[in-house]
Amino acid sequence: QQQVRQSPQSLTVWEGETAILNCSYEDSTFDYFPWYWQFPRESPALLIAIRPVSNKKEDGRFTIFFNKREKKLSLHITDSQPGDSATYFCAASDPGTQVVGQLTFGRGTRLQVYA
Amino acid sequence: EAAVTQSPRSKVAVTGGKVTLSCHQTNNHDYMYWYRQDTGHGLRLIHYSYVADSTEKGDIPDGYKASRPSQENFSLILELASLSQTAVYFCASSDRGSSGNTLYFGEGSRLIVV
Repeated sequence: QQQVRQSPQSLTVWEGETAILNCSYEDSTFDYFPWYWQFPRESPALLIAIRPVSNKKEDGRFTIFFNKREKKLSLHITDSQPGDSATYFCAASDPGTQVVGQLTFGRGTRLQVYA
Repeated sequence: EAAVTQSPRSKVAVTGGKVTLSCHQTNNHDYMYWYRQDTGHGLRLIHYSYVADSTEKGDIPDGYKASRPSQENFSLILELASLSQTAVYFCASSDRGSSGNTLYFGEGSRLIVV
């Protein structure tokens, strides 16, 4: 059973549009939600992260919206650029593991931004 | 300069053969991890280590062994490679601490088992 689900599997937007990537999770004890992005033939890298004490985290054009009650979060990319084309992974961490690397990753959303 | 380096970057192995993937980090991090990436499956944790000479099982350890001979080095060993182990393998490191620290990934090792 998937602990972290992402949708859609792939998404195409035009340059300048807002891309919305969705994520939901099962375990209510998860307390840290990073998003990693991965460009083709490269390794994943941290993009932005949020903790449940906040319902919003913003970093430039990237914003996470968090709904603890519904166990959902979304990543909004405003003014999308072709350089944002990548696969985006939502992940979650359980404080009980005490090991930060024991993140549970979703299967990713592949974003394509056309000029 | 890359702080987490993996070797080999690409390998073709024969079914039943032994494969060793190596990882070296210069981040001075205590924690190191091996993840496996398959198309459509995201990243799954195989083994991890938080101190030299000790390793722990992750979510999918079957068919894999790990070795951490020093803080800087972490190896993943496939004693009897199987077709199902064809994948891209990522090593990562993180600083010691509570949940919330960043994972730093290596460049990946593409393994094809034939």
